[in-house]
Amino acid sequence: DVKVTQSSRYLVKRTGEKVFLECVQDMDHENMFWYRQDPGLGLRLIYFSYDVKMKEKGDIPEGYSVSREKKERFSLILESASTNQTSMYLCASSLSRWGYEQYFGPGTRLTVT
Amino acid sequence: GENVEQHPSTLSVQEGDSAVIKCTYSDSASNYFPWYKQELGKRPQLIIDIRSNVGEKKDQRIAVTLNKTAKHFSLHITETQPEDSAVYFCAACGTGNQFYFGTGTSLTVIP
Repeated sequence: DVKVTQSSRYLVKRTGEKVFLECVQDMDHENMFWYRQDPGLGLRLIYFSYDVKMKEKGDIPEGYSVSREKKERFSLILESASTNQTSMYLCASSLSRWGYEQYFGPGTRLTVT
Repeated sequence: GENVEQHPSTLSVQEGDSAVIKCTYSDSASNYFPWYKQELGKRPQLIIDIRSNVGEKKDQRIAVTLNKTAKHFSLHITETQPEDSAVYFCAACGTGNQFYFGTGTSLTVIP
């Protein structure tokens, strides 16, 4: 059974802080993704990675960066948190590039004050 | 890039009735169309998917239809039950496994 875990369920940070969100998957999946979920906007892709040390921008990468030093771990970094980054952040992983199910983590509810 | 539109945004049905959610997409290269269900406070989970070489797929009370010519696909839930209440997301995926999600449909099944 695929397991995708995220480091925190809830996080409260102050404006300007550097924020790290961690995601770990245990199924040797090649692909990993970071989304943010906002009411009425669905799931929007921030960054994704096809392999270790590889990253690609999604639809809304501004204000974010990512790191993938190991295959099982994908980190999302908010360099200087702002209030408009208050959101639910979901990590996902999938087996391969060509149309495979994405498995989601439980999400991190981030509040920036 | 791909643009996925999903309708309706909210849907209420009586228990036992059918529910239909529709999505359209713009990129003819998209070839994989999953549907995810997200219950309140939980993670999205795949409930059914369809690939472009198939027009319809069914799994018990859930079915998905795909019209590649018109670039639209639909989720059909029959004999709805209260536990079907959730937010449903459609997605379209082309080469590269980047999913483009719709904005979601909040389904409420009234007992």
